[in-house]
Amino acid sequence: EIVLTQSPGTLSLSPGERATLSCRASQSVYSSYVAWYQQKPGQAPRLLIYHASIRATDIPDRFSGSGSGTDFTLTISRLEPEDFAVYYCHHYGSSFFGQGTKLEIK
Amino acid sequence: EVQLVESGGGLVQPGRSLRLSCAASGFTFDDYAMHWVRQAPGKGLEWVSSITWNSVGIAYADSVKGRFTISRDNAKNSLYLQMNSLRTQDTALYYCAKGLYGDLRLFDYWGQGTVVTVSS
Repeated sequence: EIVLTQSPGTLSLSPGERATLSCRASQSVYSSYVAWYQQKPGQAPRLLIYHASIRATDIPDRFSGSGSGTDFTLTISRLEPEDFAVYYCHHYGSSFFGQGTKLEIK
Repeated sequence: EVQLVESGGGLVQPGRSLRLSCAASGFTFDDYAMHWVRQAPGKGLEWVSSITWNSVGIAYADSVKGRFTISRDNAKNSLYLQMNSLRTQDTALYYCAKGLYGDLRLFDYWGQGTVVTVSS
């Protein structure tokens, strides 16, 4: 079983700042099979990034993904008010999700 | 526009059964794998089950294996999840999700979910 650990649990930032969210796998994973989802309260998750670095349809270019092996990162270059949400990483080779990072307004 | 609409959730006693449905529209249903993902109250996401476009490939999370059955009817553009021997730990919001491509458990569209509450 692959365990995905996201950090930090909560990230407090202001609009316009840069956000860096981390996802660490308990063992090396095929990096092409890492995705990131955004979930706002009361809404279904939304696919942001897949294959570690490919933006999904209609996702703004301020969202970017990177990483390989056991360490993956979601970066939001300049936070917009609508970006404050919970973010999950997902290894879709094993079907496991991370526990989520809550991005909140400072 | 892709739409996924789940139904069939509700309050059920432990040990009983429930059948969830997902009506799909806005895409060629029988071209894509489909999936169920759940989210317990205040918790994270948990993949539950997947089915390939032709129902040949089916997979379940260990937590539901032997109790849940996924199926689809391509003529009706519908996905189903038969849930038997329900446990309190199965209480969650159940999402239907469309696969992005192939058999990958990668979900590009999600429904709004249907709530299942297992309680005596």
